[in-house]
Amino acid sequence: GAVVSQHPSRVICKSGTSVKIECRSLDFQATTMFWYRQFPKQSLMLMATSNEGSKATYEQGVEKDKFLINHASLTLSTLTVTSAHPEDSSFYICSARDQGFEQYFGPGTRLTVT
Amino acid sequence: RKEVEQDPGPFNVPEGATVAFNCTYSNSASQSFFWYRQDCRKEPKLLMSVYSSGNEDGRFTAQLNRASQYISLLIRDSKLSDSATYLCVVTPNTGGFKTIFGAGTRLFVKA
Repeated sequence: GAVVSQHPSRVICKSGTSVKIECRSLDFQATTMFWYRQFPKQSLMLMATSNEGSKATYEQGVEKDKFLINHASLTLSTLTVTSAHPEDSSFYICSARDQGFEQYFGPGTRLTVT
Repeated sequence: RKEVEQDPGPFNVPEGATVAFNCTYSNSASQSFFWYRQDCRKEPKLLMSVYSSGNEDGRFTAQLNRASQYISLLIRDSKLSDSATYLCVVTPNTGGFKTIFGAGTRLFVKA
C-alpha cells in the first residue's frame, strides 16, 4: 500500500519558537495533501488542504499566518507552526491522496510546546 | 447537524461477539465512503472502502444505504486486537474533494 512519512515524530519546543513538520508520500505522487490536528480523545480536525503548486485552502478558524503550509512538490508538503504556544500542543497528522479518493496517513507528529 | 455522525460508544463486547456500527451523512451528493481504524495515539489506517453493492473482507462487512444516507460496518467474531476507534469517512464528489471524518466509535473487545 501507499506509504506516507512524517518528520519529526515528536518535538518539544519553547513557546514563541517555530516548528516545521514534513509530510512525504514515498511511493506515489500526491497532488493533494491534508493536514489534521487531533487533541486527546477528540476527532481529527481538518486544518487545511494542500495542493501542489498552489496556495493551501484553510478551514474556518485556522490562521493561515500561524500555520504555514507549503506543497512544493508532488511528494512533499510542510506545515510550519509559527510562534508556537502551549495551546498549539497537539497531534498533527498529514495525509496524502493518490488518484483515487483514499487517503493515506502519516504516522503523526506529537508537538509539545512548553 | 454534523456532516458525518457516529455513535461515539464505547461499545464493550466479549471476544467472539458480532458488533455493528452505523454512520449517517448529510450530503446526498457524497460519492466515496470509507471506514478507517485508529488505534490510541496512532494515525488512522484505511480499513475498507464502502461500495454500493456492499463489500466484505474477512470478518468485516461494510454496507452503504444511499436512500437513507448511512453506512455500516459489521465485525464478526471480534478479536481483542479489534479494539480501536472506527472512523466513518465520506468524500463529496465536488470541487476540492474535501474528506469529512466522523468523530469515531470506540470499540473495546474483552476476553
